[in-house]
Amino acid sequence: GQQVMQIPQYQHVQEGEDFTTYCNSSTTLSNIQWYKQRPGGHPVFLIQLVKSGEVKKQKRLTFQFGEAKKNSSLHITATQTTDVGTYFCAGRIIQGAQKLVFGQGTRLTINP
Amino acid sequence: GAGVSQTPSNKVTEKGKYVELRCDPISGHTALYWYRQSLGQGPEFLIYFQGTGAADDSGLPNDRFFAVRPEGSVSTLKIQRTERGDSAVYLCASSLIYQGTEAFFGQGTRLTVV
Repeated sequence: GQQVMQIPQYQHVQEGEDFTTYCNSSTTLSNIQWYKQRPGGHPVFLIQLVKSGEVKKQKRLTFQFGEAKKNSSLHITATQTTDVGTYFCAGRIIQGAQKLVFGQGTRLTINP
Repeated sequence: GAGVSQTPSNKVTEKGKYVELRCDPISGHTALYWYRQSLGQGPEFLIYFQGTGAADDSGLPNDRFFAVRPEGSVSTLKIQRTERGDSAVYLCASSLIYQGTEAFFGQGTRLTVV
């Protein structure tokens, strides 16, 4: 079946360091979304990427969608303690009903 | 309320019992998703509704799991003969249309099978 793989599973950084998480799909995606889940919370939508090669920025967060629409990345510049949480990518496959398939997530912890 | 509402927030049940989990999506959202999330894992897709019909139920683990959305709004996830392995947080999400819009998640129902 369709799979969305995400690495790394965990990342611990010092406050102020950068952070990147990568997402890869076994099939071409129609779009990809990114979510953040705080400990004890539910996933909250961050952004959606639709076009091949698309890059979007939200303050210190930069999101990229690969040319082949099979991979994506989220980069956080100069992390802050408020960035703590688990970041999930969620890909929407092209075929069929286009269900939203989540990656396993990258859990980010930060040393202040 | 303005968000996705799930009830109950916590459910403890004995192995072999039947449970129902309810999801009230955001008004007007035609797409509704059920996911299951175990500790330290990403949300695992179960089923997706477009209106009243299940557009994709390929994620339901077996025939003990069933979900309905009879009027295209509230949905109920039903689990028969619960097993300890069914313990997880069950998340419901809704979106305005089925393609290309963000999914709004509820707080989830934590199911514990003892």
